Amino acid sequence: QVQLQESGPGLVKPSETLSLSCSVSGDAIGNYYWNWIRQPPGKELEWIGHISYTGGSNYRPSLKSRVTMSVDTSKDQFSLKLNSVTAADTAVYYCARGRLDSSGYYYIDFWGQGTLVTVSS
Amino acid sequence: EIVLTQSPGTLSLSPGERATLSCRAGQRISSNYFAWYQQKPGQAPRLLIYGASNRATGVPARFSGSGSGTDFTLTISRLEPEDFAVYYCQQYTSFLTFGGGTKVEVK
Repeated sequence: QVQLQESGPGLVKPSETLSLSCSVSGDAIGNYYWNWIRQPPGKELEWIGHISYTGGSNYRPSLKSRVTMSVDTSKDQFSLKLNSVTAADTAVYYCARGRLDSSGYYYIDFWGQGTLVTVSS
Repeated sequence: EIVLTQSPGTLSLSPGERATLSCRAGQRISSNYFAWYQQKPGQAPRLLIYGASNRATGVPARFSGSGSGTDFTLTISRLEPEDFAVYYCQQYTSFLTFGGGTKVEVK
């Protein structure tokens, strides 16, 4: 069974950089798209972006200037950096696996449990 | 950005009843990149339907998806107690977006 686990600080100061990592177990990190998705308390899901195992990435346009994602295939990990954070970036952050299967369907099939990141001084 | 509008915002039903959830896209999208998820309080979302109409592994047959173009529907034929949750639709064209969610609550 594929498992994903987020890790990183739960509190970040305004204007600083939010950094999270996601460890993947139960399957190789290759051939998938590794996503970051966030959910402000009580609100809907918001896709931040994804990175493939080859390093190709796609980010939400409104966040693109502040986001960097990376993947480390040797450690089966991928990471998110979001700079210049404000209170509006407070949310539960999920890492998740995206799959483009052999039939041409794209979907997100496995999710981490999520980690709450609060932006506050 | 392709906006997904889900309706209704809240659906109040009793166990055993049929639930019909709607998701409308602001422009035509490919069914191949359309999915439905279920989220319960304090939990990560769970994939229910992909490719607009394909049930994910382990999803009960009472869940079904349909639609194409700009209009998509998730139907739960007979609500079980564990089905009361929030449901999100999702599309991926250029970049991925989610709908605002439909909460299915106990009447």
